[in-house]
Amino acid sequence: SQQGEEDPQALSIQEGENATMNCSYKTSINNLQWYRQNSGRGLVHLILIRSNEREKHSGRLRVTLDTSKKSSSLLITASRAADTASYFCATDGGGSNYKLTFGKGTLLTVNP
Amino acid sequence: ETGVTQTPRHLVMGMTNKKSLKCEQHLGHNAMYWYKQSAKKPLELMFVYNFKEQTENNSVPSRFSPECPNSSHLFLHLHTLQPEDSALYLCASSRSDIYNEQFFGPGTRLTVL
Repeated sequence: SQQGEEDPQALSIQEGENATMNCSYKTSINNLQWYRQNSGRGLVHLILIRSNEREKHSGRLRVTLDTSKKSSSLLITASRAADTASYFCATDGGGSNYKLTFGKGTLLTVNP
Repeated sequence: ETGVTQTPRHLVMGMTNKKSLKCEQHLGHNAMYWYKQSAKKPLELMFVYNFKEQTENNSVPSRFSPECPNSSHLFLHLHTLQPEDSALYLCASSRSDIYNEQFFGPGTRLTVL
């Protein structure tokens, strides 16, 4: 069964606005990662948050993790047109299961 | 993306053809992965190699045959594919299969006629 599931499926905002994407998962995890993919290209790793962390920042990105709710959010502040892409969360299976499972992604469109 | 390269970038093949996809990583990693990305479906893990040994075969049909001659190179040999195999095939690498921040190549867009 699918481990990570992003919400919303699509999000359209204006440049300068903040974008928030959510991810829910089913089992315990060692860590959760967020990736970005521009259309038809490979994925780019954005940020990794460990199961014992609650919040992490990287530039304009802020990721939160709530293991009790099995959910994570990715916030992109002051969005730019270049942030237009699909965003995926990926989780492992916890314990010794490090195999990553990806969600279907959120398609973010930032309008100039 | 320059850390992991994939060739060819686009491939069109008939159902009776035999072709190979190539992946090379220049990051000094020890684990390499093949993923399949179809439209409107989550990324599907196909194979994992760690220190040249296959550690994961995610129930992939035998018409897909991986090869990992060393930690820097990974191949996916294709034969008698089906139209539903048309997809973007992504290669990734990581330090090891338990250090799973993965670096992806640009992918090979495969079309099976």
